[in-house]
Amino acid sequence: GAVVSQHPSWVICKSGTSVKIECRSLDFQATTMFWYRQFPKQSLMLMATSNEGSKATYEQGVEKDKFLINHASLTLSTLTVTSAHPEDSSFYICSAGVQPQHFGDGTRLSIL
Amino acid sequence: GENVEQHPSTLSVQEGDSAVIKCTYSDSASNYFPWYKQELGKGPQLIIDIRSNVGEKKDQRIAVTLNKTAKHFSLHITETQPEDSAVYFCAASSRTSNTGKLIFGQGTTLQVKP
Repeated sequence: GAVVSQHPSWVICKSGTSVKIECRSLDFQATTMFWYRQFPKQSLMLMATSNEGSKATYEQGVEKDKFLINHASLTLSTLTVTSAHPEDSSFYICSAGVQPQHFGDGTRLSIL
Repeated sequence: GENVEQHPSTLSVQEGDSAVIKCTYSDSASNYFPWYKQELGKGPQLIIDIRSNVGEKKDQRIAVTLNKTAKHFSLHITETQPEDSAVYFCAASSRTSNTGKLIFGQGTTLQVKP
């Protein structure tokens, strides 16, 4: 079946650091990828829609300058959390594909 | 905008029993309804989906039913096994969203007791 790979799976870093998360579609081309954030025991919250070759579309309340998204190829989208602070600690998940949408295994980000 | 309500939030069943999780959606233009299973520390895994031109779909022990009139869809798991224990999410996507954006329900934690 379709596979979406997300890297890294876990990152711990100091406050003020910028962190990049990669999302790759391994066996299909994805014009559109999605980035979600999930807090413990909660549902997935869509942060932004990543469009290959164009600017990402951010959901209301998500700071585009804080969460930089780049979708430079049909198989790779990256999310960079800039100047991360402890409140940015969360589980970040990407997905690719449209009907169906397949998810990566997430990145647990911990900011000290 | 679209809203998806999911019930129950937790469900505990005995191994071998059936489990049913229900979702309602608000946007009548929604035309695609996937269900995901999420295990601890992992991303959601698609287990079954249904489109609005179909009323029921089955895959081995898993089935999904859709009632477009009532805007309800449900996940049915028969002969539950301990490995079915996980968090299950329903979602809906509207044909008016050309990106295929999914709106998720709140999730159901299913516990299957051996």
